[in-house]
Amino acid sequence: AQSVTQLDSQVPVFEEAPVELRCNYSSSVSVYLFWYVQYPNQGLQLLLKYLSGSTLVKGINGFEAEFNKSQTSFHLRKPSVHISDTAEYFCAVSALRGAQKLVFGQGTRLTINP
Amino acid sequence: GAVVSQHPSWVICKSGTSVKIECRSLDFQATTMFWYRQFPKQSLMLMATSNEGSKATYEQGVEKDKFLINHASLTLSTLTVTSAHPEDSSFYICSASLQGVYGGYTFGSGTRLTVV
Repeated sequence: AQSVTQLDSQVPVFEEAPVELRCNYSSSVSVYLFWYVQYPNQGLQLLLKYLSGSTLVKGINGFEAEFNKSQTSFHLRKPSVHISDTAEYFCAVSALRGAQKLVFGQGTRLTINP
Repeated sequence: GAVVSQHPSWVICKSGTSVKIECRSLDFQATTMFWYRQFPKQSLMLMATSNEGSKATYEQGVEKDKFLINHASLTLSTLTVTSAHPEDSSFYICSASLQGVYGGYTFGSGTRLTVV
C-alpha cells in the first residue's frame, strides 16, 4: 500500500516570492509521483509527474519538482509565485503495477498575498 | 484531448431521493474509471474503481448498495447515490486512467452534491 504526507496544510506566500510545497511518500513498491492543482469547485489539473529518468521534473505554470528516492520526497517548487497560483495542491502516488489507483496527500492550501 | 465530462456540476436533492452523476469520456475510451469523494478542505478519498463491463471494486468502508456504480460502456460511467442523506453531501470527482499512457489520468470537473 502507498501513503502520502503533505507536511504543510497551509502555506501563505507573498507575490513574486519563491515557494516550496513538501511531499513525502511511503510505498513498498516502485511508484509514479504526481502533483495536481485544484481551484475551488473544480476537478484536478496535472502540474507534473515523475515516471522515471531525470529526478528534476518541470511542469506547467513554472512549477518543478524533484524526486528524492533516499528521502522518499517529491517537493514542489516555484521560483516566483503569482496571485493566480492561489489554489489547493495535492501530491499523489500510484503503483507502477496493479490497480494503479491514485493515493492523495491531504493537500496544501497555497495562498498568495499581494 | 482526453477529456472527461462530468454532469451535473452541482445538484441539490431532498433526503431519501437518489441522484445520478455521469462521467463521459469525450475523445477516448475509458476502460477504468475511479470515483472519489472530497469533503470540504480535505483530500480526495477513493470510493471505488470500475472497469468497463464488470462490477466495481469498492474501497473498505464504502457502502456499495448506497453508491451504485455502473460502467456499461467505454465512454460512460455513472455513480448513483441512493436514498441520499445530508451526510452524503460532498464533492464527487471521477477520473479515468488513460490506456497506454504511463501515469496517465484525467479528471472530471466534479459534482457538488447537497442533500437537504
